[in-house]
Amino acid sequence: EAGVAQSPRYKIIEKRQSVAFWCNPISGHATLYWYQQILGQGPKLLIQFQNNGVVDDSQLPKDRFSAERLKGVDSTLKIQPAKLEDSAVYLCASSWGTSGLNEQFFGPGTRLTVL
Amino acid sequence: QKEVEQNSGPLSVPEGAIASLNCTYSDRGSQSFFWYRQYSGKSPELIMSIYSNGDKEDGRFTAQLNKASQYVSLLIRDSQPSDSATYLCAAYSGSARQLTFGSGTQLTVLP
Repeated sequence: EAGVAQSPRYKIIEKRQSVAFWCNPISGHATLYWYQQILGQGPKLLIQFQNNGVVDDSQLPKDRFSAERLKGVDSTLKIQPAKLEDSAVYLCASSWGTSGLNEQFFGPGTRLTVL
Repeated sequence: QKEVEQNSGPLSVPEGAIASLNCTYSDRGSQSFFWYRQYSGKSPELIMSIYSNGDKEDGRFTAQLNKASQYVSLLIRDSQPSDSATYLCAAYSGSARQLTFGSGTQLTVLP
């Protein structure tokens, strides 16, 4: 079974530039998550989708971050404009359902450096 | 603010010893708890989940949950150098419908 795919793996940009990340979840997984992991910290949930609807985006900085899940499968996360503090690893995860009993499987992440 | 607290470590144990990792959580409504292992530069992978008070064993790993004390722990028996990683504790809140992670404990198993 293929895992969660993410691209790019690494990205370096200047502050105030824009960047987009892509995620393809495990086939059949209805729930998709985007997390931000700053060095030395645990992952922090940014947004959660159930199929193509948003379940929770309370911690997404909506003035600069946006996300969509096309047709309930792939998802993109965009940052515009980027700030220095956005330097982090952006992890995509997926699970079969939204229940707390469902294991979340993580992709390899995209490491973003903002200069 | 729902919080999950872990000692950041680093925690060092000799090979073959028992490693004990601890975690406390603030949300009494948390229903399920997870331990993830994260190797340096890699993504988290689930190693244990626990939903009821008591112990749950899986191979060399034992998770312990005490909801009254809002405490979760992970014991690793016969620790191996390959167990060296950061261990993330996470709690799922049904009301918030999200998983909250601690900052992780870095474990080093010395050969």
